[in-house]
Amino acid sequence: TQLLEQSPQFLSIQEGENLTVYCNSSSVFSSLQWYRQEPGEGPVLLVTVVTGGEVKKLKRLTFQFGDARKDSSLHITAAQPGDTGLYLCAGLSSGAGSYQLTFGKGTKLSVIP
Amino acid sequence: GAGVSQTPSNKVTEKGKYVELRCDPISGHTALYWYRQSLGQGPEFLIYFQGTGAADDSGLPNDRFFAVRPEGSVSTLKIQRTERGDSAVYLCASSDRGPSGYTFGSGTRLTVV
Repeated sequence: TQLLEQSPQFLSIQEGENLTVYCNSSSVFSSLQWYRQEPGEGPVLLVTVVTGGEVKKLKRLTFQFGDARKDSSLHITAAQPGDTGLYLCAGLSSGAGSYQLTFGKGTKLSVIP
Repeated sequence: GAGVSQTPSNKVTEKGKYVELRCDPISGHTALYWYRQSLGQGPEFLIYFQGTGAADDSGLPNDRFFAVRPEGSVSTLKIQRTERGDSAVYLCASSDRGPSGYTFGSGTRLTVV
């Protein structure tokens, strides 16, 4: 069974601070995605990383895929209250034509004004 | 439609009853996925449809769960003899280009009492 572990599980910071959340696995994934989920809503896709060592930026968010494609990180610069939410990483395993995602438990981020 | 629509948004049922959950994907999306998200957990894969056929049903927990997509558009997840452990948010997603195009609905919150 492939597992994705996210850390920290909870994070509460002041507006303007920087933060990094991590997503680790013992398995190799063909690609990895990051989602943000707000209460009562479905997850919203932020980014997909495919190549080992890849770095993608989305405004104040920086995503990195580990060289071995087993881990990833999300760094947020100058966090704002609008960044509050549950951040989920999800790994895609290739093969057999199924695009099944394995999700971590998520990091619940609270940004305090 | 503009997004993935799931109905009902909330469903309370008694233990042992039968329930149906509906998903209306984005028009033209051939791939449709069902996931289940329990409290404090990330979504867990249930089943994947490509067109009308179930391409991967390896995530269905037991034979009380069944899903159909008869015309390749709307899908219904059916749960027989519901148990309290079935209580969760059931999420549907659709895609036109594999996991990079995943769009989730807001989910159906199922509570079995």
